[in-house]
Amino acid sequence: GAVVSQHPSWVICKSGTSVKIECRSLDFQATTMFWYRQFPKQSLMLMATSNEGSKATYEQGVEKDKFLINHASLTLSTLTVTSAHPEDSSFYICSARELPPTGTGTDTQYFGPGTRLTVL
Amino acid sequence: QKEVEQDPGPLSVPEGAIVSLNCTYSNSAFQYFMWYRQYSRKGPELLMYTYSSGNKEDGRFTAQVDKSSKYISLFIRDSQPSDSATYLCAMNTGFQKLVFGTGTRLLVSP
Repeated sequence: GAVVSQHPSWVICKSGTSVKIECRSLDFQATTMFWYRQFPKQSLMLMATSNEGSKATYEQGVEKDKFLINHASLTLSTLTVTSAHPEDSSFYICSARELPPTGTGTDTQYFGPGTRLTVL
Repeated sequence: QKEVEQDPGPLSVPEGAIVSLNCTYSNSAFQYFMWYRQYSRKGPELLMYTYSSGNKEDGRFTAQVDKSSKYISLFIRDSQPSDSATYLCAMNTGFQKLVFGTGTRLLVSP
């Protein structure tokens, strides 16, 4: 099956610093990647949709200038949390959409293993 | 009202039991339905993907979709302790963002 990786898997940083999280589709090309945030015992909250070669689309309430998304290639999207604060501590998960065979009309998203961010 | 409703559980069953997990939804435009399994501190893993109403089977897992009732189910036969996880239903209208249920926490005891 399709594999999505994330790096780093765990990061601790000081308040005010920036953190970059990478999301890669390892064995398929993904024109669209999604970034989610998940708090303990809660479901996934979509933050933004990232399309290769264009600007990301952010969900309502998500600060564009704080969560910078870059999708420079068909296999890599990055999320940068700028000037991180303790309230940004969370589990960040990306997913990548695998393009279906022509005419099938299917749409499958595969998730990365997640990145746990702790801001001190 | 949420677009997708899912009982958060926890659902506790003994090993070997048949597990039934369910979601209801309100948007009749949803056409694609997925079930993901998420272990603690891990990303969701795609278990089942269905498009039409009816049943789809894969090993011990059976996904069922009833579009007329806006109701989907995931059945797990011969449940194992390793099945203990949170199960998320997700759906969309096709090539759009997924809408997730809150997830049901399943605990299978030996």
